[in-house]
Amino acid sequence: NAGVMQNPRHLVRRRGQEARLRCSPMKGHSHVYWYRQLPEEGLKFMVYLQKENIIDESGMPKERFSAEFPKEGPSILRIQQVVRGDSAAYFCASSPGTGLSNQPQHFGDGTRLSIL
Amino acid sequence: KQEVTQIPAALSVPEGENLVLNCSFTDSAIYNLQWFRQDPGKGLTSLLLIQSSQREQTSGRLNASLDKSSGRSTLYIAASQPGDSATYLCAVISMEYGNKLVFGAGTILRVKS
Repeated sequence: NAGVMQNPRHLVRRRGQEARLRCSPMKGHSHVYWYRQLPEEGLKFMVYLQKENIIDESGMPKERFSAEFPKEGPSILRIQQVVRGDSAAYFCASSPGTGLSNQPQHFGDGTRLSIL
Repeated sequence: KQEVTQIPAALSVPEGENLVLNCSFTDSAIYNLQWFRQDPGKGLTSLLLIQSSQREQTSGRLNASLDKSSGRSTLYIAASQPGDSATYLCAVISMEYGNKLVFGAGTILRVKS
């Protein structure tokens, strides 16, 4: 499968636990983006990463949330001490490293996070 | 601040009709505009991307136009089918805000057989 791969597809956590969401970009893509879709709301940008670098994290909550895209392996979105309001669908997208104006972002199927 | 609005919020049409979905954005300084389709419980499928220098793009029964100066785009779907039922999302990449997509709230389309 050459598409953006996200896992797990569904994740259930209790309040106070940690959630780790993984994203493997399309082959050849070096740019990764995370978006969140809250219930009954549109998609909102969270963070933009290139390999080993956070380029823009302006959409990410200042506390409890972190993201990384290591040299080897998938990108990880980490949420510590989860609360009910973190329940949402989290989408990852990727794009090539050049020609950004004419390159679409390709999305994965998302991770549905439910907090009990 | 870039804001994207989609009208209508929901649309129900009989099979075979041609239809138009509208998208408007407040800041015309964009790199590109993308139309996506989202099925319930699924991710986003990219339908069309229009660069800021282009006026339209076509793919099969879909045609998207862009009027950057007025901050508007339309997605035209010809001869609609029940399989077209989904949420359609419009998103822009602004020059001021970098590579992040700014999304509209979407139009929920239902095509009745």
